[in-house]
Amino acid sequence: ETGVTQTPRHLVMGMTNKKSLKCEQHLGHNAMYWYKQSAKKPLELMFVYNFKEQTENNSVPSRFSPECPNSSHLFLHLHTLQPEDSALYLCASSLTRQGSYNEQFFGPGTRLTVL
Amino acid sequence: QKEVEQNSGPLSVPEGAIASLNCTYSDRVSQSFFWYRQYSGKSPELIMSIYSNGDKEDGRFTAQLNKASQYVSLLIRDSQPSDSATYLCAVYNNDMRFGAGTRLTVKP
Repeated sequence: ETGVTQTPRHLVMGMTNKKSLKCEQHLGHNAMYWYKQSAKKPLELMFVYNFKEQTENNSVPSRFSPECPNSSHLFLHLHTLQPEDSALYLCASSLTRQGSYNEQFFGPGTRLTVL
Repeated sequence: QKEVEQNSGPLSVPEGAIASLNCTYSDRVSQSFFWYRQYSGKSPELIMSIYSNGDKEDGRFTAQLNKASQYVSLLIRDSQPSDSATYLCAVYNNDMRFGAGTRLTVKP
């Protein structure tokens, strides 16, 4: 275990549903990340929070909405998703965003299927 | 040009051999370099980080970095079937960029 937990581990939702993914880290880190991993493609960075402030939004559609209430918790709120959004969603954390302190540790991921 | 490029494989080596995994990157000012191992159906696991030119050894793993050539590699000595996984190269400059991964199979 890396000290980063994610729930749920699997999620099946319809295109009209609203659901949320949760991530929690027990490492005392200050930066948290959401990534999307699709088959045969590199990990795609979606959102970055550093000391609870969002510092990156890589042109992610508005149907994905992040929330970071404190340095230990990160949420990804989902609504009106498309089938192409089906993927493994990974949360990661690092001590900070910067250079040599950017060793990122991943949670187990949420396997999302959109019907 | 992809930012971080890896041969997708599969790379197949016999048990006990040396597995050599390669990665090139396009951003010359990249600062930090990482190797992750990802088993099928699991999340990436950090196995090596390297920040300066040269070699860094950790057990059976050796990471090599050549910033002039924009090249980073991972050597796995005495490969074991349990090393069979996809290996992701990651490069950091303001944000982490990942390669698509090289699938390694170690045959008993």
